[in-house]
Amino acid sequence: NAGVMQNPRHLVRRRGQEARLRCSPMKGHSHVYWYRQLPEEGLKFMVYLQKENIIDESGMPKERFSAEFPKEGPSILRIQQVVRGDSAAYFCASSPRVAGQPGEQFFGPGTRLTVL
Amino acid sequence: QKEVEQDPGPLSVPEGAIVSLNCTYSNSAFQYFMWYRQYSRKGPELLMYTYSSGNKEDGRFTAQVDKSSKYISLFIRDSQPSDSATYLCAMSWMDSSYKLIFGSGTRLLVRP
Repeated sequence: NAGVMQNPRHLVRRRGQEARLRCSPMKGHSHVYWYRQLPEEGLKFMVYLQKENIIDESGMPKERFSAEFPKEGPSILRIQQVVRGDSAAYFCASSPRVAGQPGEQFFGPGTRLTVL
Repeated sequence: QKEVEQDPGPLSVPEGAIVSLNCTYSNSAFQYFMWYRQYSRKGPELLMYTYSSGNKEDGRFTAQVDKSSKYISLFIRDSQPSDSATYLCAMSWMDSSYKLIFGSGTRLLVRP
């Protein structure tokens, strides 16, 4: 049973470019969370998605950031017009949540974004 | 004040020692408590998951929750050099997303 997969593992972008981060949840998991880890800081929640729905985006910056989890394919975190402050490790977690119950969240290896 | 406080360490112990890692929190709504281990430049790995006060044991690991004091602990018995990592506590509460609120992590070094 493969774990959560994220790609690319490392991504280098110049200021103003777009970054696309992909996350494939564990088999059977339909709940995806994105977290960001800035250097020397803890993980911060960004967004929670189910298939075709954004459930909670309270941690997303208001501009330039968007996320989706289509019916088919991986979840995508998209950052437009990247700035140096976007440099961080971005982690995806998937959960087998049953309605009304929290499930364990299993994390992927992360994508390390460097903005030059 | 952060919602979840965790001593950043580093905590250095000799091999075989009992390690105690702790977090305090301010939000009494937290109901679910987790401990993750994160090796350098890797993703967090779930170690323990509890949702009630008391103790939960799994191998060399024991998680302890004291909701009245808003305090959680992770004990590692017979610590090994391979336990050297950053340990993150995380919490969530009953709402539509169950998003995790993390402590900043404690770096642990187990010396051979």
